[in-house]
This record gives sequence, structure tokens and C-alpha cells, in this order.
Amino acid sequence: AQSVTQLGSHVSVSEGALVLLRCNYSSSVPPYLFWYVQYPNQGLQLLLKYTTGATLVKGINGFEAEFKKSETSFHLTKPSAHMSDAAEYFCAVSERGAQKLVFGQGTRLTINP
Amino acid sequence: EAGVTQFPSHSVIEKGQTVTLRCDPISGHDNLYWYRRVMGKEIKFLLHFVKESKQDESGMPNNRFLAERTGGTYSTLKVQPAELEDSGVYFCASSRGLPGEQFFGPGTRLTVL
Repeated sequence: AQSVTQLGSHVSVSEGALVLLRCNYSSSVPPYLFWYVQYPNQGLQLLLKYTTGATLVKGINGFEAEFKKSETSFHLTKPSAHMSDAAEYFCAVSERGAQKLVFGQGTRLTINP
Repeated sequence: EAGVTQFPSHSVIEKGQTVTLRCDPISGHDNLYWYRRVMGKEIKFLLHFVKESKQDESGMPNNRFLAERTGGTYSTLKVQPAELEDSGVYFCASSRGLPGEQFFGPGTRLTVL
């Protein structure tokens, strides 16, 4: 069965600092990989996804993530944090050919001025 | 384009009562999903509709939960009778079927007292 582990339920960084949110997955075959973000009082929004091809994927709002098969990881990064990045971030996987998403526990990102 | 809407946004009921949650997907999206997040835990898949048919209901916790999607448009999720452990946020999502591109609603927060 697939599973997703997000290291750190809360991450706090200073404005302008690097954002690094960690995600590791467990799957018998390389799955599709996703990062979603949830801003307060809103639904989850797709940030970026990896399905095939280039392992470094770029998403909205300056975020990017790199699929590393050998490490079974899909960490999310942003070079310079902005106050508007404060939100909860979810890493998710799905089996190729399947629709349902399997989520990690979520990481709440706080940006300090 | 209107997003996924869910009603109500909050519901507080007593144990043993019945509650019905509603989801209106994005127009033209044949795929509709229900997920649930119990406090402190990860978001978990409940079921997936393709039009009015249940494609995958492997995540439904027990027979107290009944999901319907009459006519392939909006969907309802009924909990009868509600138990304390049913408390959480229920998310609905819809898509055209592309991997991971599920558009989420803001969720319904259910509290069972």
C-alpha cells in the first residue's frame, strides 16, 4: 500500500529565507506525485505535479520540487519565502492509472517577518 | 468558472443524528471525489464517482456512510447515525480525469457531540 510521510507538521522560516518541505513516499512502483496548498478557509489547490519526464518540476508562486527515485522523495522548495506563503502544504501520491490521492499529514508553514 | 462548492461549511450535531453534506462540482467534471480529514490526521480518500456511478468506494469507513450522485451532477454524503469519531473536515473534489488535477472545495467541518 502506498504511504506518504511529511517530515515536520510545523515549519517556520523567516521572510526571504529558503523554504524546504520534505516528503517521502512508499510505493512499489514510481507513482504520480503532487503538492497541494491550502490557504485559510479555502480548498486545496494544486501547486505542482510530477507524472513523467523532467524530475525537477516548477509550480505556481515560485515553488518547485524534485523527484528523486533513489531516495523516494519529492521535497518542495522555494528560494525566498514571502508572507503570503503561509499556509498548509500537502504532499500526495497516486498510483499510475488510479485516481485516488494518498496524502501525507500536512505541514503548516509559518513565515516570520 | 465557478469552483467546487460545499454546503454547509460547518455542521454541529449530536451523536445519533443524521447529517447530509452536499457537493457541487465544477460544471463538466465527470469525476467527483470525497475525502475526509480527522483532526490531526492525514486527508483520507472516501470514494470516487464517474458521472453517477461509484468507481471506487474503498475508503468508505462503514455502512453508516451513504454517498449518492443522482444525475451525475451534485453529490451528497449522508452519515446516519453519526458517531463521535465521524468529526472532521469533509472535502469534495472534482476533475476531468487528468492525474492529480483534482479541484477541491473548501470543505465541510462536521462536529459530532
